Amino acid sequence: EAGVTQFPSHSVIEKGQTVTLRCDPISGHDNLYWYRRVMGKEIKFLLHFVKESKQDESGMPNNRFLAERTGGTYSTLKVQPAELEDSGVYFCASSQVGGGEKLFFGSGTQLSVL
Amino acid sequence: QKEVEQNSGPLSVPEGAIASLNCTYSDRVSQSFFWYRQYSGKSPELIMSIYSNGDKEDGRFTAQLNKASQYVSLLIRDSQPSDSATYLCAVPSGGYQKVTFGTGTKLQVIP
Repeated sequence: EAGVTQFPSHSVIEKGQTVTLRCDPISGHDNLYWYRRVMGKEIKFLLHFVKESKQDESGMPNNRFLAERTGGTYSTLKVQPAELEDSGVYFCASSQVGGGEKLFFGSGTQLSVL
Repeated sequence: QKEVEQNSGPLSVPEGAIASLNCTYSDRVSQSFFWYRQYSGKSPELIMSIYSNGDKEDGRFTAQLNKASQYVSLLIRDSQPSDSATYLCAVPSGGYQKVTFGTGTKLQVIP
């Protein structure tokens, strides 16, 4: 069974540019989460999809971040325009309905904004 | 107060010793608790879950939960160098749909 896949694994962009991160959850997992870890800080929740619907986006930092999950399969997280403080590792995780707390994580995207 | 608190470490233990990792949480209504292990540069991986007060053992790992004290711990017996990693305490919140993580404790097992 394929795990959660994310790409790119690394992205280096300049302040003001746009970056789009992609996550493919485990097939059949309706729950999809985005998390972010800034260096030295804890992994912080960004948002949660159930299928294509945003269940909770309380962790999204501001309106420069836009997440989508068209068709309830893969998800994208776009940062536009990127700022220096957006640098960090962005993790995607998925889980089955009813097994909500057991998260399967992708390997993350290391985003560096210069 | 942070929702989930852990000592960031590093916690250094000699090979074969018991490593004790601790976590406190603020939400009294939390019902389930998780320990994730994250190797450097890798993604977090769930290793233990506990739902009831007391101990839960799985191989060399024992999770301990005390809801009255809002405290959960992870014991690793016979620590191995391969156990060296960051251990993240995680507590669901927001109706169990959102998992909140602590900062993690870095464990170093010295051969």
